[in-house]
Amino acid sequence: GQSLEQPSEVTAVEGAIVQINCTYQTSGFYGLSWYQQHDGGAPTFLSYNALDGLEETGRFSSFLSRSDSYGYLLLQELQMKDSASYFCAPRRQAGANNLFFGTGTRLTVIP
Amino acid sequence: EAGVAQSPRYKIIEKRQSVAFWCNPISGHATLYWYQQILGQGPKLLIQFQNNGVVDDSQLPKDRFSAERLKGVDSTLKIQPAKLEDSAVYLCASSLGGSGRAFEQFFGPGTRLTVL
Repeated sequence: GQSLEQPSEVTAVEGAIVQINCTYQTSGFYGLSWYQQHDGGAPTFLSYNALDGLEETGRFSSFLSRSDSYGYLLLQELQMKDSASYFCAPRRQAGANNLFFGTGTRLTVIP
Repeated sequence: EAGVAQSPRYKIIEKRQSVAFWCNPISGHATLYWYQQILGQGPKLLIQFQNNGVVDDSQLPKDRFSAERLKGVDSTLKIQPAKLEDSAVYLCASSLGGSGRAFEQFFGPGTRLTVL
């Protein structure tokens, strides 16, 4: 089977740092993607971790620990426009290359 | 570079009617995905094509949903007959596929379906 756990909601202050955790269980795990989705918008790709460790892309960083089946997305210098839903998505099956999305974390940034 | 195109953007139908959605992926993307996203949930993969062949349709309700990708480019997803629980946003996505950046999927704007 497969499962994903993320907090359903997170609230943080503008300018602060927030961490969104993700624990997963899936067969044939190859990596972990993160996507952002604004209300009424389409999901957009943020980052991907194939190996353990931290990947940094501007204000966003993503971490993976394969042995713990755990990852997180770190958002720094939060801006109001970061208010959105964030999905971690394990990449399954090298051949099919598909992603499994959970229910996501709704981040609200407040002034 | 043009993004993933979908039409229509909105559709309202009555239950038991049929409906079709169209998707044109990014040029050169071999892999095309159809997702269903119910309000408050994450995207659920319905079907995945690699060129014009089906790679994964394990979550497609085949008694009412069908999809095709003729010539390995654009794709059509059909629902017949529709049920109330089919009300959702239908997202199309594409990726390079193969050993490329297949983990990075590009999503279209989606079609919001309301079944009354």
